Amino acid sequence: NAGVTQTPKFRILKIGQSMTLQCTQDMNHNYMYWYRQDPGMGLKLIYYSVGAGITDKGEVPNGYNVSRSTTEDFPLRLELAAPSQTSVYFCASKKGAGNTGELFFGEGSRLTVL
Amino acid sequence: RKEVEQDPGPFNVPEGATVAFNCTYSNSASQSFFWYRQDCRKEPKLLMSVYSSGNEDGRFTAQLNRASQYISLLIRDSKLSDSATYLCAVPAWRQTGANNLFFGTGTRLTVIP
Repeated sequence: NAGVTQTPKFRILKIGQSMTLQCTQDMNHNYMYWYRQDPGMGLKLIYYSVGAGITDKGEVPNGYNVSRSTTEDFPLRLELAAPSQTSVYFCASKKGAGNTGELFFGEGSRLTVL
Repeated sequence: RKEVEQDPGPFNVPEGATVAFNCTYSNSASQSFFWYRQDCRKEPKLLMSVYSSGNEDGRFTAQLNRASQYISLLIRDSKLSDSATYLCAVPAWRQTGANNLFFGTGTRLTVIP
């Protein structure tokens, strides 16, 4: 059981470049999330999805886009990369709504924008 | 006021010591709380959930103080392997139910031999 898989694990981008961080989960979870974590900081929610075809903004969505065409996949698109987007990005999933349930995280994608 | 606040530490304690971290939350309606553990350069993993007054799992005890709006994590008989960052998380309530978690900045613990 792979859980939540993120690719790539590491990437260096130049300012203005674009890229997509891939995230897939094999647990048939409805809810998926993208968080970013800056050094010494907590996790900030970028976007989330409650199911295929449904996405919504989190706390820090500017500069990012997402799509959810299938239950399994939730890619995060960075357009016109900026140094402020240097961070570690975590994708996570949860089975359903409500205040219970564990978030399962991927191993993270470390992005540097130079 | 931030949704969740934690003392960032670091907490440096000797093996065998007891250490406690606190986490304050702003939404008095919150019903559930979570402690996640994050090892260096790794992803967060759920350590404990707290739905009522508290929860205990071996050396770890999580307690909830609703009047003062904080939760605490107590680690007894600290082990070297307990060295990590401990993140507090609270659900973000929306009309359709809690759809995501607010995370604190984490408290870093180092257990010293």
